[in-house]
Amino acid sequence: QLVQSGAEVKKSGASVKVSCKASGYTFTGYAIHWVRQAPGQSLEWMGCIRTGSGYTEYSQRFQDRVTIIRDTFASTAHMEMISLRSEDTAVYFCVRGNGPGSWLFDYWGQGTLVAVSS
Amino acid sequence: DIVMTQSPDSLAVSLGERATINCKSSQSVLSNSNNKNYLSWYQQKPGQPPKTLIYWASTRESGVPDRFSGSGSGTDFTLTISSLQAEDVAVYFCQQYYSGPITFGQGSRLEIK
Repeated sequence: QLVQSGAEVKKSGASVKVSCKASGYTFTGYAIHWVRQAPGQSLEWMGCIRTGSGYTEYSQRFQDRVTIIRDTFASTAHMEMISLRSEDTAVYFCVRGNGPGSWLFDYWGQGTLVAVSS
Repeated sequence: DIVMTQSPDSLAVSLGERATINCKSSQSVLSNSNNKNYLSWYQQKPGQPPKTLIYWASTRESGVPDRFSGSGSGTDFTLTISSLQAEDVAVYFCQQYYSGPITFGQGSRLEIK
């Protein structure tokens, strides 16, 4: 199970940190990905972390503004985005990859709404 | 980036009838090394996260009803629902995980006729 932190309302230019707590499996055995969905839109992959090593990969689109980290003791992954703009208003999902560096998704978190106002 | 294009954008099918959604990738997602297509299908109902239905283009996720099937190879893929049920009303997305960045189709909305 992946349980995400609650909804956030932010001003343009601020930053946000979304958490994803894993349970029911060995956290370090599976990658965690972050995917976002703007209202009425499709899905957009942001990046991922190998939870064992901490190695990260990012979409070039988010490379400069997003940082993904993990806390192995808390079995939690975090996604921080800086310099928020209104276009970042979206639901942010964490998703488990089905292996340490896998890009094959299996379980999804419930999503976290981030609303950015100008 | 690999562009994923789905068709149609929306479709309405009668209960018990077959529903077919297509997905085309701008480049092949078939690996020569393991002969696997790096293509998944997801179902998303309103207010819910996506649910994984199919991976490796044709492998059904555990617990997914067998009326859902995936087919295709290379650049052309199909999701078929053999006998539409009311609970299948949703938006369906295809996704490639062959090369970065991971990309999704625009979604296909399935409704009851």
